[in-house]
Amino acid sequence: NAGVTQTPKFQVLKTGQSMTLQCAQDMNHEYMSWYRQDPGMGLRLIHYSVGAGITDQGEVPNGYNVSRSTTEDFPLRLLSAAPSQTSVYFCASSYEGLGEQYFGPGTRLTVT
Amino acid sequence: AQSVTQLGSHVSVSEGALVLLRCNYSSSVPPYLFWYVQYPNQGLQLLLKYTSAATLVKGINGFEAEFKKSETSFHLTKPSAHMSDAAEYFCAVSDNWDKIIFGKGTRLHILP
Repeated sequence: NAGVTQTPKFQVLKTGQSMTLQCAQDMNHEYMSWYRQDPGMGLRLIHYSVGAGITDQGEVPNGYNVSRSTTEDFPLRLLSAAPSQTSVYFCASSYEGLGEQYFGPGTRLTVT
Repeated sequence: AQSVTQLGSHVSVSEGALVLLRCNYSSSVPPYLFWYVQYPNQGLQLLLKYTSAATLVKGINGFEAEFKKSETSFHLTKPSAHMSDAAEYFCAVSDNWDKIIFGKGTRLHILP
């Protein structure tokens, strides 16, 4: 099993550009989530999904969109990037809720 | 509302010494509690979890944590530190399976 995969690993965007961070898992997990990690802030939940077709907002959802058309994939879209979205983004999946999660390797995003 | 506080953003211990990383939580219902570890340039990995069974929880790599309801604490310990334990450690709390809150993290440094 590849586990949780994320692409790209690194990305630089200009303010106002859009992009999609990809996340996929091959463990047939129903729950998937996106976090951002900033120095001294820990991880903050952006959006999560409890199954295909179902998504909900986390702690910091503004500026991000998600959809869940399949069990395997959970892309995160930035519609108009801002410097405040410079961060490391982690995708995670779990079999039972958001507690015991498997994390991807992360995407380091810089917005200039 | 749930919250989690990790005391000390950086902790240094000598190789072979006791590791103690502190975590206090706030929750309106019996919580689920977790410790995750993050090695440099990697995603988070679950160390151990408390889900209302035994109050002393054993995890991977020789770590354990004790749930103390009266102190609202879930401190992480390891009897003898190893150089490979150098990483960032995150405590997390969840009231249910849909929301999880991470602490800001404690970076553990191991001194030779």
